[in-house]
Amino acid sequence: DQQVKQNSPSLSVQEGRISILNCDYTNSMFDYFLWYKKYPAEGPTFLISISSIKDKNEDGRFTVFLNKSAKHLSLHIVPSQPGDSAVYFCAASARLYTGTASKLTFGTGTRLQVTL
Amino acid sequence: DADVTQTPRNRITKTGKRIMLECSQTKGHDRMYWYRQDPGLGLRLIYYSFDVKDINKGEISDGYSVSRQAQAKFSLSLESAIPNQTALYFCATSDLSRGGYNEQFFGPGTRLTVL
Repeated sequence: DQQVKQNSPSLSVQEGRISILNCDYTNSMFDYFLWYKKYPAEGPTFLISISSIKDKNEDGRFTVFLNKSAKHLSLHIVPSQPGDSAVYFCAASARLYTGTASKLTFGTGTRLQVTL
Repeated sequence: DADVTQTPRNRITKTGKRIMLECSQTKGHDRMYWYRQDPGLGLRLIYYSFDVKDINKGEISDGYSVSRQAQAKFSLSLESAIPNQTALYFCATSDLSRGGYNEQFFGPGTRLTVL
């Protein structure tokens, strides 16, 4: 039962354009969402997060949008750069629930390639 | 220096062998985790520990055991390795003191191959 889904295994975007990575979830208890970026031979690194009390969070070129009614979030990267080429994982947690607040449920990842 | 380190980085072993993967952190975090990554399946939680005396099973703990030797050390053991345990293993840490936000910090990973 995949509670966090990233339906696009890969995405190719031209440098300078917008990259949009999507994530859907099924568990209505999730109230905190994170995006991680992973380069080959390295561990995932935290990129940006959003709480369910917000619908948008922005950090430089990265913006995450949350649509709670649709149980959908997206990561926008503008403008895309070759160094953004990596695998991006969406993750979710039920932060306010004792005992599960530290557990992250990850999606399967989307491989982004930014071409010149 | 890396905040979360994992040893070994690569390991090839045979079916039935016992193997231990080690994780150390210098971040001072209380919470530590072990994940495995498989193609098409993302990262799945094996075990997690909220402090030295607290160990919890994750979603795929069968065939694995852990030991939290100290706040900074969390080891994952495969008592009798089998080929479907071939995967990339990650250790992570977190600190919930900052308002409950669960940003986890990952080690570089251990690539394990069981023949």
